[in-house]
Amino acid sequence: NAGVMQNPRHLVRRRGQEARLRCSPMKGHSHVYWYRQLPEEGLKFMVYLQKENIIDESGMPKERFSAEFPKEGPSILRIQQVVRGDSAAYFCASSPTQQETQYFGPGTRLLVL
Amino acid sequence: KNEVEQSPQNLTAQEGEFITINCSYSVGISALHWLQQHPGGGIVSLFMLSSGKKKHGRLIATINIQEKHSSLHITASHPRDSAVYICAAETSGSRLTFGEGTQLTVNP
Repeated sequence: NAGVMQNPRHLVRRRGQEARLRCSPMKGHSHVYWYRQLPEEGLKFMVYLQKENIIDESGMPKERFSAEFPKEGPSILRIQQVVRGDSAAYFCASSPTQQETQYFGPGTRLLVL
Repeated sequence: KNEVEQSPQNLTAQEGEFITINCSYSVGISALHWLQQHPGGGIVSLFMLSSGKKKHGRLIATINIQEKHSSLHITASHPRDSAVYICAAETSGSRLTFGEGTQLTVNP
């Protein structure tokens, strides 16, 4: 049973470009969480999704950021018109149901030049 | 004041020592998580607990719901335990609120 997979592992974008981060949860897991870790800072919750639904997006910036978890395929975190302040490690985690252990992916390191 | 506070921020120990990392939280929780972040950045879930005590190998986690406090203990510490240890409070809807982490260095 493969773990949580994220790709790409490293992503370099110039200011103004779009960044798409993908997360494939563990098999059988229908709950996905996205977290951001800014340089030298702790982890912060961004968004919680269940298949085809956004359950809680209270941690996500109101502009430029969006997330989806379609019926088929990975969850996508999309950042439009990236700025230098978006440079961070983005982790996703998955769980089989709510309020269970969350299993983390290896993260995507986004660098905005 | 952060909703989840950890202490100490940094901890250096000699191999074999008993280690304790503390976590206090100010929010109502459904569970308390302990995570380990390796030097390479990967995150591993160590424990999820809502009451009492859990043990896995040399790691022990305890929680006191009334005092809103949890501890992570490492017995017979080893250099490979060197990592950042993070506690996280799970609130309604499975949202995790994280402490700032404790950087542990175990010297041989």
